[in-house]
Amino acid sequence: DSGVTQTPKHLITATGQRVTLRCSPRSGDLSVYWYQQSLDQGLQFLIQYYNGEERAKGNILERFSAQQFPDLHSELNLSSLELGDSALYFCASSAQDSALETQYFGPGTRLLVL
Amino acid sequence: AQKVTQAQTEISVVEKEDVTLDCVYETRDTTYYLFWYKQPPSGELVFLIRRNSFDEQNEISGRYSWNFQKSTSSFNFTITASQVVDSAVYFCALSGRQGGSEKLVFGKGTKLTVNP
Repeated sequence: DSGVTQTPKHLITATGQRVTLRCSPRSGDLSVYWYQQSLDQGLQFLIQYYNGEERAKGNILERFSAQQFPDLHSELNLSSLELGDSALYFCASSAQDSALETQYFGPGTRLLVL
Repeated sequence: AQKVTQAQTEISVVEKEDVTLDCVYETRDTTYYLFWYKQPPSGELVFLIRRNSFDEQNEISGRYSWNFQKSTSSFNFTITASQVVDSAVYFCALSGRQGGSEKLVFGKGTKLTVNP
């Protein structure tokens, strides 16, 4: 158990809909990272937040957004969903504001868009 | 750009065999970190090791060992006396600075199947 929690574990929705994925980092960690894992693209970094502020952006679509709240939990919002958004979404956390540190991953949210 | 290549897509071995998973990386950074993660069939990503670019000592942890060679830009992972529970997808990853920010870049993964 990494100490990172993600909800929900599974999500099934329809094209055009909007969903919110939630992540709670390990106790004491200030950075939260979001990743997408799909069969064709592999594991791709989406976005990082540190202590409430956006720090780095990867291959995140404009239809996707994220935020980190004062209690350090984070939410990833996916809107106008397309079939190709079906993937496993991971959240990871680390203590400081550096991807050079070890990131501990949550169990993931499996999203299926029908 | 930073890149991680895991040329072996799938490996299948019989229990108790030794197996080496290859990882080759590309980076222009002088300071970077290399990682291995394990993704068992249940889907979570489990951290195995982190190694910085200045430490080329090999590391051993039980049946796991890692060989870091800067000269060949490789960070290979060996499992000795493999067990069925080692069956998983293993990812090599590299973190360093790209475009002014630090990011973790993953290889495509190697699926290891250990047969009884």
